[in-house]
Parts: sequence; structure tokens; C-alpha cells
Amino acid sequence: DAKTTQPTSMDCAEGRAANLPCNHSTISGNEYVYWYRQIHSQGPQYIIHGLKNNETNEMASLIITEDRKSSTLILPHATLRDTAVYYCIVRVGGSDSWGKLQFGAGTQVVVTP
Amino acid sequence: KAGVTQTPRYLIKTRGQQVTLSCSPISGHRSVSWYQQTPGQGLQFLFEYFSETQRNKGNFPGRFSGRQFSNSRSEMNVSTLELGDSALYLCASSTGAQETQYFGPGTRLLVL
Repeated sequence: DAKTTQPTSMDCAEGRAANLPCNHSTISGNEYVYWYRQIHSQGPQYIIHGLKNNETNEMASLIITEDRKSSTLILPHATLRDTAVYYCIVRVGGSDSWGKLQFGAGTQVVVTP
Repeated sequence: KAGVTQTPRYLIKTRGQQVTLSCSPISGHRSVSWYQQTPGQGLQFLFEYFSETQRNKGNFPGRFSGRQFSNSRSEMNVSTLELGDSALYLCASSTGAQETQYFGPGTRLLVL
């Protein structure tokens, strides 16, 4: 799987948009970008994923650059409950990756009042 | 739909014992993956099962094993427990091996 680079931590004010960057400069054409988050000691929660186009759901928006070498997860109106570790994962097809997500260290996001 | 459930949620064992953890996937999901999470190593992939067959395996010793039943429920077993096996064990289910995974709450294992 292509590796990802994320900032170690970032703070965000409650009610403001949180923009979480992720670099994946070695991504290949068939690799999806996934975002999960993990609130302390809970199981990771799926947020959103995309291949080429920008995606939006009820939780967040995913912006992928045209060259696909980086992406940004946007939480439009951060709340205190959005405090979590956010993981950006690039996932490739093929039997070696069946059922496997390769987690990095993620970004610790702290939303402050 | 009910989410992924894992039992038990907490477990304390002593070195040398064995342990079995259970995972019930989301209804209709046939792929179940297991992960180990520790402060030092982060989230690491253990193995994946689909239709009762292990199709992928991470880099863990043979003490870690699993199985999947015909109803897609899965169990993982760790034999001869070591202190380093203390971790949060997570399972995730999906409709297929390359589809979106949804995680359970995890089982926290403490080995004394």
C-alpha cells in the first residue's frame, strides 16, 4: 500500500472547519483514499473514502488533488465530540491487501471550546 | 442494522493461558478482519476471513489463530499468552475483502 504522511497533531476551535491534510505522493491509479477516526479506546469509525473525485457525506468532505498525491478531510463545523485520532489510509487492490487496512500514526485532533 | 459486536469487552488473563475472542459482523457481511492495537505498535492487521477461509494474514506468530463460522461470526484465539499480548483487539466486517470495513468496539485484553 502507498504510504501516507499526516501531521502529528492539530487543534481546532469548536464551530470552525477542521482541515486535515494527508500526503500520499506514491499513490497508484487504483488506490483509494480512506479516512477513519478513533475516539479514545473505541474502535475506529469509518468517515469517508474516494478515488479521484471529491466526496461528501453527512460527516465530512474529502478533497483529492488532481494529481492524487494529497488529500484533505474537512469537518465543516467541528464539535468537541470530533476530538479523536484521524487516520488517512491508502488502500490498494490485490490479494495481499484483502481485508487489510494499513494504519499509520494518524493526526491527533483536539477541538477546543 | 446492528453494528459489529465483540465479546467480551474486557478480559484479564495470566501468562501461559489461552484466550478466545468473539466477533459478530454486521448482518450480510461475509468478510471479517482482526487487528491488534498497542501503544507501541499502533493498529496492526492480524488476519482476514471470508466464507470460513483465511485469505490474508499479517506478521504475527502462530500463537495467534482464528476461524470463521458459516454464519460469518468469527473467533480469534491466542495461546500461551505473553505480557506483550496485552492490547485492544479489534474486529472489522465488510461485504467483501476490498469493501469498506466497519469496526467493533474491541476487546481489551490484559495479560498479567
